[in-house]
Amino acid sequence: DGGITQSPKYLFRKEGQNVTLSCEQNLNHDAMYWYRQDPGQGLRLIYYSQIVNDFQKGDIAEGYSVSREKKESFPLTVTSAQKNPTAFYLCASKTRNTGELFFGEGSRLTVL
Amino acid sequence: KNEVEQSPQNLTAQEGEFITINCSYSVGISALHWLQQHPGGGIVSLFMLSSGKKKHGRLIATINIQEKHSSLHITASHPRDSAVYICANSGNQFYFGTGTSLTVIP
Repeated sequence: DGGITQSPKYLFRKEGQNVTLSCEQNLNHDAMYWYRQDPGQGLRLIYYSQIVNDFQKGDIAEGYSVSREKKESFPLTVTSAQKNPTAFYLCASKTRNTGELFFGEGSRLTVL
Repeated sequence: KNEVEQSPQNLTAQEGEFITINCSYSVGISALHWLQQHPGGGIVSLFMLSSGKKKHGRLIATINIQEKHSSLHITASHPRDSAVYICANSGNQFYFGTGTSLTVIP
């Protein structure tokens, strides 16, 4: 079945450590997105990529980095520079034809 | 500023009730999306619409472009409808509401 796979589902990290969240899609979508979700707030855009080897900062990119070396993959690194990294992270991709958005199951990061 | 407001924030209903969730947005859009987020966190797309009305099973979504307002209706609600419902508008980017948490009691 086509879809978006995020891993890990749960991740614990000590302060000062970088951590990378994986996002893989087999939907053949060009556009991919990373969002952060905090309680009581709407999803906020971290980074997005419209095409391989190209990506743009979203509204809250500070402390995060991404790469898009393959169409299927858009990993997100949460660096030690991110002041408040504990959150739920969602990866999404969008069809070019209809503009519909597809989401992964999310990764919950807790910094201890 | 592109703002998306949803109401109510929380909603509890008895099984079988008709439910309405509202969404207002401030900036013209290319499409309005309704999403459903289950307790595990995954999100699925329910509707994408730019005009009129769409229906899928017991779910109906409507949009009024002039008033910048959309509604999601659930007929004959069921406990399995319990979830967070999120609206989002899309132009160059997606802008999301904070969600409506729905609980349907048997």
